Amino acid sequence: ELKVEQNPLFLSMQEGKNYTIYCNYSTTSDRLYWYRQDPGKSLESLFVLLSNGAVKQEGRLMASLDTKARLSTLHITAAVHDLSATYFCAVGILGNEKLTFGTGTRLTIIP
Amino acid sequence: GAVVSQHPSWVICKSGTSVKIECRSLDFQATTMFWYRQFPKQSLMLMATSNEGSKATYEQGVEKDKFLINHASLTLSTLTVTSAHPEDSSFYICSAPKLAGAPSTDTQYFGPGTRLTVL
Repeated sequence: ELKVEQNPLFLSMQEGKNYTIYCNYSTTSDRLYWYRQDPGKSLESLFVLLSNGAVKQEGRLMASLDTKARLSTLHITAAVHDLSATYFCAVGILGNEKLTFGTGTRLTIIP
Repeated sequence: GAVVSQHPSWVICKSGTSVKIECRSLDFQATTMFWYRQFPKQSLMLMATSNEGSKATYEQGVEKDKFLINHASLTLSTLTVTSAHPEDSSFYICSAPKLAGAPSTDTQYFGPGTRLTVL
């Protein structure tokens, strides 16, 4: 059974600071996604990572994937209030379209 | 980009009644759709895989007789919560895995969600 864990579960950080969210998964995967969810809303796709060493960046967010370590990171640079949300990673298994979601990281950026 | 809609956005019903939630792919065909449930401050849990023209596949622990899924066309899947109870109150989100012809590793497209409250 595929298990996906995120760390930390809750994060409060000041504007302008940097931080990293970690996503560990338990079995071999061929794709990993990062999503953002605002309160009461559905999911917004941020990144799709498909290969070992993949790195993608969009604005203040950068995601990377290490398939050997079964680890993905979402790095936040110089955080701003607008980034406050819950972030989920989700992992898929080759040959299966189902996704298993991580526990989520609730991020609060404080002035 | 691809759009997935859900209807209704929110619904409040009495205990014991049934509620139907629709999930539509607006500009693409989806032979497969997924139904998730999300309780407050928790992650998304996959409930079932909806397959066009065949029976849905339910995840372990999900009662198929309580959560009826119908995928009657390539653009519509419905989830009916039968004899709803307060513990069924949740945020229900559907998704379609990819556009037809797109790589299997393409992102999933999520609907806006339906918030169900059972009194």
